Amino acid sequence: EVQLVESGGGLIQPGGSLRLSCVASGFIVSRKYMIWVRQVPGKGLEFVSVISNDGSTSYADSVKGRFTISRDNSENTLCLQMNSLRAEDTAVYYCASSVTTGGGFDYWGQGTLVTVSS
Amino acid sequence: DIVMTQTPLSSPVILGQSASISCRSSQSLGYSDADTDLSWLQQRPGQPPRLLIYRISKRFSGVPDRFSGSGAGTDFTLTISRVEAEDVGVYYCMHATQFPYTFGQGTKLQIK
Repeated sequence: EVQLVESGGGLIQPGGSLRLSCVASGFIVSRKYMIWVRQVPGKGLEFVSVISNDGSTSYADSVKGRFTISRDNSENTLCLQMNSLRAEDTAVYYCASSVTTGGGFDYWGQGTLVTVSS
Repeated sequence: DIVMTQTPLSSPVILGQSASISCRSSQSLGYSDADTDLSWLQQRPGQPPRLLIYRISKRFSGVPDRFSGSGAGTDFTLTISRVEAEDVGVYYCMHATQFPYTFGQGTKLQIK
């Protein structure tokens, strides 16, 4: 069974760092496209970052230079290192993967809340 | 970056009637449903997004056939036939044709 479980969210002061993890089961992370998407409570979905099966990455302009997406293949985990956090980064962060559909992101985690506040 | 624009932003629908949501991209995403990565997701209150449609018109496993997708180029449509109470939520289009990916603003489906 395919499952994605995010962790690592919490309350952090502006300027601080957090590392989000997304543990996958039922498929191999390194073989699939995976994304991070965030959602301010009550607002829409915002693309954050993607990593392809060949390791190519891309970021939204709002996080470029501050966030880094990566994979830990030994743990079958997707990661998001978030530095220089700002109040506007406060959101629920979801990971998702394109496991069976090739272009559609068919499996999503439940999300982890990041709150940036002093 | 490709901008995805959805209309309407809110759609009140009578149970049993149909609803259509439009998604327009700022540049062409392609014309073949074999390789055009335009998808539709549903987000029910308090839930993560759920994939409904991928590659313009392909229904994901377990999605009722009341949901259908169509379109090509820059104009795409999600149609929900015979709307049920469980369809209440926000619907998003998303493209994954080139980096970076982007979402539409979302369309809130409500029962009238």
